[in-house]
Amino acid sequence: EPEVTQTPSHQVTQMGQEVILRCVPISNHLYFYWYRQILGQKVEFLVSFYNNEISEKSEIFDDQFSVERPDGSNFTLKIRSTKLEDSAMYFCASSGTLGGEQYFGPGTRLTVT
Amino acid sequence: GEDVEQSLFLSVREGDSSVINCTYTDSSSTYLYWYKQEPGAGLQLLTYIFSNMDMKQDQRLTVLLNKKDKHLSLRIADTQTGDSAIYFCAEKDAGNMLTFGGGTRLMVKP
Repeated sequence: EPEVTQTPSHQVTQMGQEVILRCVPISNHLYFYWYRQILGQKVEFLVSFYNNEISEKSEIFDDQFSVERPDGSNFTLKIRSTKLEDSAMYFCASSGTLGGEQYFGPGTRLTVT
Repeated sequence: GEDVEQSLFLSVREGDSSVINCTYTDSSSTYLYWYKQEPGAGLQLLTYIFSNMDMKQDQRLTVLLNKKDKHLSLRIADTQTGDSAIYFCAEKDAGNMLTFGGGTRLMVKP
């Protein structure tokens, strides 16, 4: 069964460093998403992406964040200068159609020290 | 902003039915979803319901939607120890953004 994969499973970085979280969506999906879950809090939407551009983003997704589809299979989330409060589980998701069910990857746990 | 709320914890005995409840505030919700998260794993889509339906059954899972009261429930029949997990309710508006509840931890006792 096709699934969304994410790497790495755990990333530790120092405050102020740049990190890139990687995702491989389900192969025939066209809509991609990033969510995050700070420990003990709700899963929060960050951004959606379609046709090589951002289609929707939340207030959390400020200038420190960017997304990219560098090739036909990967979808990345970059945080330019990490802050302690960026520590969270980051989930990638994809869907095959506009408004279709979103399938989530296993997440990357980001720890900023 | 929109809000989705769930109770934190539910404990049932193996073989009993579990009912996990969720309330939401967005009157323009189009779809409502149930996701399952096992320890160390991602969010597994369990089932969903379109907002103009009031019930959907999928094997042991029954979803009930009361749109007037903005109340969603997930019933798991014949609950097994393997059903122990955190269950998240989520709603989607006309866009593609999902708004999640805080999750209900289901504990199944043998």
